[in-house]
Amino acid sequence: GENVEQHPSTLSVQEGDSAVIKCTYSDSASNYFPWYKQELGKRPQLIIDIRSNVGEKKDQRIAVTLNKTAKHFSLHITETQPEDSAVYFCAASISNFGNEKLTFGTGTRLTIIP
Amino acid sequence: NAGVMQNPRHLVRRRGQEARLRCSPMKGHSHVYWYRQLPEEGLKFMVYLQKENIIDESGMPKERFSAEFPKEGPSILRIQQVVRGDSAAYFCASSPYQDQPQHFGDGTRLSIL
Repeated sequence: GENVEQHPSTLSVQEGDSAVIKCTYSDSASNYFPWYKQELGKRPQLIIDIRSNVGEKKDQRIAVTLNKTAKHFSLHITETQPEDSAVYFCAASISNFGNEKLTFGTGTRLTIIP
Repeated sequence: NAGVMQNPRHLVRRRGQEARLRCSPMKGHSHVYWYRQLPEEGLKFMVYLQKENIIDESGMPKERFSAEFPKEGPSILRIQQVVRGDSAAYFCASSPYQDQPQHFGDGTRLSIL
């Protein structure tokens, strides 16, 4: 089955600087890659996603890049703010009628230092 | 549009009792997914259901766990004869169709005494 590895497990960044979180996946059939943000005791919130027919997607301060050949994808947050502090999870799935289960990485705890 | 609703938010059970977790998907969503999250870990897929059908239960333990999504009413995740290792946060997600993003509820935190 699919295996997703995520690095780093913890990341501290000065406010205003950029943060990058990286994930690798094992199953070349995976074609859908969402990122979720989870604050303490709260629900995972979808912040951005990308499909395998696209190499990069951007939404304001957040961007995701995908390298299908290397089987890795990354989350980029620019101009970080204190409210960006949370645990971020990457995930992968083979989005293919009946196969939509998400395999999650182990999470990155991002701390923004004011 | 109300989000995914899960109840109860917190559930305490003694070993050997049954736990029933409920999930009402977002309006217009007919696909429901259950995930389990242990402390300081990522989410692990358990089961994927559509109305009245189990599509994928590859993540469900073989014994004591069952799930349903009836024609009327919420999806139910049922854990029989709970053990300490069942303590976790159980999250439900829903999507309107296959191949659409999954949106999560607030979860049920199950504690086993």
